[in-house]
Amino acid sequence: GAVVSQHPSRVICKSGTSVKIECRSLDFQATTMFWYRQFPKKSLMLMATSNEGSKATYEQGVEKDKFLINHASLTLSTLTVTSAHPEDSSFYICSARSQGGETQYFGPGTRLLVL
Amino acid sequence: QKEVEQNSGPLSVPEGAIASLNCTYSDRGSQSFFWYRQYSGKSPELIMSIYSNGDKEDGRFTAQLNKASQYVSLLIRDSQPSDSATYLCAVNRGGGGNKLTFGTGTQLKVEL
Repeated sequence: GAVVSQHPSRVICKSGTSVKIECRSLDFQATTMFWYRQFPKKSLMLMATSNEGSKATYEQGVEKDKFLINHASLTLSTLTVTSAHPEDSSFYICSARSQGGETQYFGPGTRLLVL
Repeated sequence: QKEVEQNSGPLSVPEGAIASLNCTYSDRGSQSFFWYRQYSGKSPELIMSIYSNGDKEDGRFTAQLNKASQYVSLLIRDSQPSDSATYLCAVNRGGGGNKLTFGTGTQLKVEL
């Protein structure tokens, strides 16, 4: 149980384009999903928390207009990186938590490369 | 002071030995604690969670929590080469959102 998927696993795009990443909880209802970013040899940095049906809460320093998050259902959250630039290249990882649960289960991650 | 501190390593242990990974945290009000394993290029996978003082065992893994000392550790018995990875300590400080704060991780190398 507690399986989280992400799609795509890897994406290469040109500077200025937008990229959408999907995060799905496959066998449980995720009332809360989290989006992280990880640079090489660094730890996970929380970008935002999304609760189903409400607006995401962004961490300090994360631009909400650049990183659009939608959590429209209990099994799906999306992160859209708008007008991507090379400095946005990173490993983006989502996690999901069920209602009342404390454990976060991570998706396999999406590696974004912006040229 | 970092919120969650770990020695980055690498920590090298011979196969079959006990690996001891340590983590300290700054917020005394922290309520729950997690150890994740992350292989290079992969996302973290949960190993154990611990919520109360003392030891919690699961197979070859034992998590130890000491809230008075603000210290949590992970012991890996009979270490195997497949245990070679980065181990992330994560702390839930409670409050709204149940957000986790991660340490930078300790790289473990189990040598043949």
